[in-house]
Amino acid sequence: GQQVMQIPQYQHVQEGEDFTTYCNSSTTLSNIQWYKQRPGGHPVFLIQLVKSGEVKKQKRLTFQFGEAKKNSSLHITATQTTDVGTYFCAARSFKAAGNKLTFGGGTRVLVKP
Amino acid sequence: DVKVTQSSRYLVKRTGEKVFLECVQDMDHENMFWYRQDPGLGLRLIYFSYDVKMKEKGDIPEGYSVSREKKERFSLILESASTNQTSMYLCASRLQGANSGNTIYFGEGSWLTVV
Repeated sequence: GQQVMQIPQYQHVQEGEDFTTYCNSSTTLSNIQWYKQRPGGHPVFLIQLVKSGEVKKQKRLTFQFGEAKKNSSLHITATQTTDVGTYFCAARSFKAAGNKLTFGGGTRVLVKP
Repeated sequence: DVKVTQSSRYLVKRTGEKVFLECVQDMDHENMFWYRQDPGLGLRLIYFSYDVKMKEKGDIPEGYSVSREKKERFSLILESASTNQTSMYLCASRLQGANSGNTIYFGEGSWLTVV
């Protein structure tokens, strides 16, 4: 079946620094979504990317969908303590039946003040 | 705002017990999902339902069953709980989407410990 890999699994970031987390799929995707889960909370939708090469920004967060629609990235600039949490990508393949999304393993972000 | 409510936040059950996890959403969404979340494994889909009385197996359905008698309610059932089912269970719902897909809204999660 479809596999979605996220790297790194853990990210320790100094406050103020930038970092990037990556999401890679074994199949071509119709769209990809990103979610953030704060410690003790539940995943909350951040954004959806649909078009090849698409780039979307939300304040300090930049989301990119690869040209081949097999990978995506989330880049955070000037990390703040409020960025702590686990970031998940969720991918929908063209081959996927019904409305099934496959989640990556997540990148857990810890921020050092 | 979409509200997805899971009836129990924390449960402790004994091995072999039958366990019901209840989920209700208030936005008339057609699609509902049950995931389990384990460290390093992300969210894994157990079952989903795209309409009343409809259900489809996800990636890890073994040991689980579901019930969707009403549109707003999706129940996850562990027929005979085992210790490897200790996990955090997340219910979610989504409006029936076109090819571009729609946002999934999650409940707060239910932490189940099987002893």
